[in-house]
Amino acid sequence: SQQGEEDPQALSIQEGENATMNCSYKTSINNLQWYRQNSGRGLVHLILIRSNEREKHSGRLRVTLDTSKKSSSLLITASRAADTASYFCATDDRGSTLGRLYFGRGTQLTVWP
Amino acid sequence: GAVVSQHPSWVICKSGTSVKIECRSLDFQATTMFWYRQFPKQSLMLMATSNEGSKATYEQGVEKDKFLINHASLTLSTLTVTSAHPEDSSFYICSARSASTRRSTEAFFGQGTRLTVV
Repeated sequence: SQQGEEDPQALSIQEGENATMNCSYKTSINNLQWYRQNSGRGLVHLILIRSNEREKHSGRLRVTLDTSKKSSSLLITASRAADTASYFCATDDRGSTLGRLYFGRGTQLTVWP
Repeated sequence: GAVVSQHPSWVICKSGTSVKIECRSLDFQATTMFWYRQFPKQSLMLMATSNEGSKATYEQGVEKDKFLINHASLTLSTLTVTSAHPEDSSFYICSARSASTRRSTEAFFGQGTRLTVV
């Protein structure tokens, strides 16, 4: 069953703007991961944040994690048209098989040139 | 990063036939592989967890006789959709976790297989 809920479901912005996506989950986790998926294609792993971390950066990506609120956010700065894709958060639940992921519903990001 | 290859990338089959999808870890050994299913514009739903040399563990609501999973080696897991029906049309994606580190938490995903049953 699904674990996370992304917010918003769809986001449309202009190139150069920042895009923020949020994810909420329900259980205790080992880590939370963000993935990107272009239409009809496989998943690309973006970033992993462990349960004892609060913030992580990778290039134009910034991820935060608040385990007390069971929520995470993904910020893409200075967005580009090529960032257009669906973005999913996925949780690796504590007590579950390592690598077994529960995905949120995803945010469809559209970046207009 | 580690590479997981999924084959075929797309397949069209007739109702009632069976389709086999392969998931291979190319440069690492995977004790555990996972199979997901994704309907259009929806999220990935975990179908089953596949452990090398043992029976797969299916998620609630997934028919094990319909979706046969075999994980015969540390680099290959297969998903066979038996007696396929149009409602089985979907995007199937596998992922694999490396056996090299017991605490490894990253799973590597295949490219996915688009199944269309006509």
